[in-house]
Amino acid sequence: QKEVEQDPGPLSVPEGAIVSLNCTYSNSAFQYFMWYRQYSRKGPELLMYTYSSGNKEDGRFTAQVDKSSKYISLFIRDSQPSDSATYLCAMSARSTGGFKTIFGAGTRLFVKA
Amino acid sequence: ETGVTQTPRHLVMGMTNKKSLKCEQHLGHNAMYWYKQSAKKPLELMFVYSLEERVENNSVPSRFSPECPNSSHLFLHLHTLQPEDSALYLCASSQAAGGNQPQHFGDGTRLSIL
Repeated sequence: QKEVEQDPGPLSVPEGAIVSLNCTYSNSAFQYFMWYRQYSRKGPELLMYTYSSGNKEDGRFTAQVDKSSKYISLFIRDSQPSDSATYLCAMSARSTGGFKTIFGAGTRLFVKA
Repeated sequence: ETGVTQTPRHLVMGMTNKKSLKCEQHLGHNAMYWYKQSAKKPLELMFVYSLEERVENNSVPSRFSPECPNSSHLFLHLHTLQPEDSALYLCASSQAAGGNQPQHFGDGTRLSIL
């Protein structure tokens, strides 16, 4: 079983829709959770960074962590064509020598105008 | 200039060539990373440097040789690569290696091996 599972998509939605992107994980030691956005021909860009369970909101983006279910989500409200990208989840756990970060494979999102 | 800069953006090389990838970060971070990104696969961590010392090498073949002359610069020297090494190579930096701070990425070098 992979440490982090993420549906590769693609996910296609109309402009203005609410988008839900998800990752599940198996290691209960993960404490820090991140979402990155990666446009074509670009590197991953940090979108959200959260610690432990709960919600964090930033503009149209909401990150949600449910540690009891080992499940994290990224919600995008009022989605725009400019949101079309690949979204990577990532999470960190304390490991020998410090923290270790594991990435999901990414979900490809298309927002149609 | 801000952020993490990688050069070249694209590189095509034969299996017998020797080339180098360069990364520079302007964030004042102390840790730098090399990742390999292949289609539909998670990022594969290759090397981690903290204050110019290599702290992690994830069983990477010796045809990849990293170099970190100072905390702002990171190189990946390539020689006798294989076709399966074609991928996007990403450099990242963070405040500290092994810390809980998030990593910041460059735009990568798209490498194609003929």
